Amino acid sequence: DSGVTQTPKHLITATGQRVTLRCSPRSGDLSVYWYQQSLDQGLQFLIQYYNGEERAKGNILERFSAQQFPDLHSELNLSSLELGDSALYFCASSPPIGDTQYFGPGTRLTVL
Amino acid sequence: TQLLEQSPQFLSIQEGENLTVYCNSSSVFSSLQWYRQEPGEGPVLLVTVVTGGEVKKLKRLTFQFGDARKDSSLHITAAQPGDTGLYLCAGVPLPTGNQFYFGTGTSLTVIP
Repeated sequence: DSGVTQTPKHLITATGQRVTLRCSPRSGDLSVYWYQQSLDQGLQFLIQYYNGEERAKGNILERFSAQQFPDLHSELNLSSLELGDSALYFCASSPPIGDTQYFGPGTRLTVL
Repeated sequence: TQLLEQSPQFLSIQEGENLTVYCNSSSVFSSLQWYRQEPGEGPVLLVTVVTGGEVKKLKRLTFQFGDARKDSSLHITAAQPGDTGLYLCAGVPLPTGNQFYFGTGTSLTVIP
């Protein structure tokens, strides 16, 4: 158990819908990262937050957005969902010093 | 083009054999991490290497960071079925040091 929690574990929805994925980092970690993993794309970095502020942005679509709240939990919002958005979405957190990331169990999103 | 290239991409070996997985880049990294991921689960951190030329051992796994901090290797001695999984290297390249990159991955299958 990494100490990072993600909810829900599974999510099934339809095209055009909007969903919110939630992540709680390990105690003491200030950074939260979001990743998308699909069979043909590998693990793709989406976005990073540090203590409530956006720090780095990767291959995140405009239909996707994220935020980190004062209690350091984070949410990833996915809108106007397409079939190709079906994937595993992982959240990771890291301590204030160092690059090491600790991953949550992931949310499996299926768009029908 | 991926910043971190891993080879081989797939590896299937018999129990008891030795193997080496490589992680290469043209960029310099402050540190590199190795993760193992099992299907449907999040990556789990195995080790972090920080110093050029550093060698770390974790039971039957030996990790090495290249002298120039551009590459790393993972050697497994006497592989066991429990070693089966996706092995990923990852790190933050210098000098920008903001975005975390994962390697292309090596899928290892150890046959009993």
